[in-house]
Amino acid sequence: AQSVAQPEDQVNVAEGNPLTVKCTYSVSGNPYLFWYVQYPNRGLQFLLKYITGDNLVKGSYGFEAEFNKSQTSFHLKKPSALVSDSALYFCAVRRGGIYNQGGKLIFGQGTELSVKP
Amino acid sequence: KAGVTQTPRYLIKTRGQQVTLSCSPISGHRSVSWYQQTPGQGLQFLFEYFSETQRNKGNFPGRFSGRQFSNSRSEMNVSTLELGDSALYLCASSLPGQGDTEAFFGQGTRLTVV
Repeated sequence: AQSVAQPEDQVNVAEGNPLTVKCTYSVSGNPYLFWYVQYPNRGLQFLLKYITGDNLVKGSYGFEAEFNKSQTSFHLKKPSALVSDSALYFCAVRRGGIYNQGGKLIFGQGTELSVKP
Repeated sequence: KAGVTQTPRYLIKTRGQQVTLSCSPISGHRSVSWYQQTPGQGLQFLFEYFSETQRNKGNFPGRFSGRQFSNSRSEMNVSTLELGDSALYLCASSLPGQGDTEAFFGQGTRLTVV
């Protein structure tokens, strides 16, 4: 079975400091990994994805994520946090390759990021 | 380019009633998926439609159903509403692919069952 774990319900960071939001996954075959952000009473906004290739992927708003196959992790990072980054962050996985199930995404429980001035 | 549009944004229904939610995908996107978001269960996959056919289905009771039209617009229906169906229902569309294309989400329909 596929699953995604975001071990921290909340992450608190001071503005200007680096931030990391953790994600680990379990999936058969090659994973397709995604990060989304959700602001209050809004839908999800796509940040970045890992499909194949370079383990470090760069996305929107200065975010990046590192795919680590041996640790089955896909942590979201940003070198310098902004107050406006405060939101709910979701990691998601799809089964890739021959195990692909189309558009179905499995989400983690979400991590609330709070950036204080 | 217009984004994913969901209507209505807010709904209040009574237990036992049924409800239909609508989703218009981004132009050119043929895959439409639906998710339920609740504080307790998080984001859960309901079903996916591609070229008017249900391609995937999550673990929800038969009261939850959907369909897709030839223009890729999709509707989901919930019959015999229960209090536990209160949630944010999100629709997402994506380009045809092998699962490697990102999904774009609408702003959701907030359903409250009283």
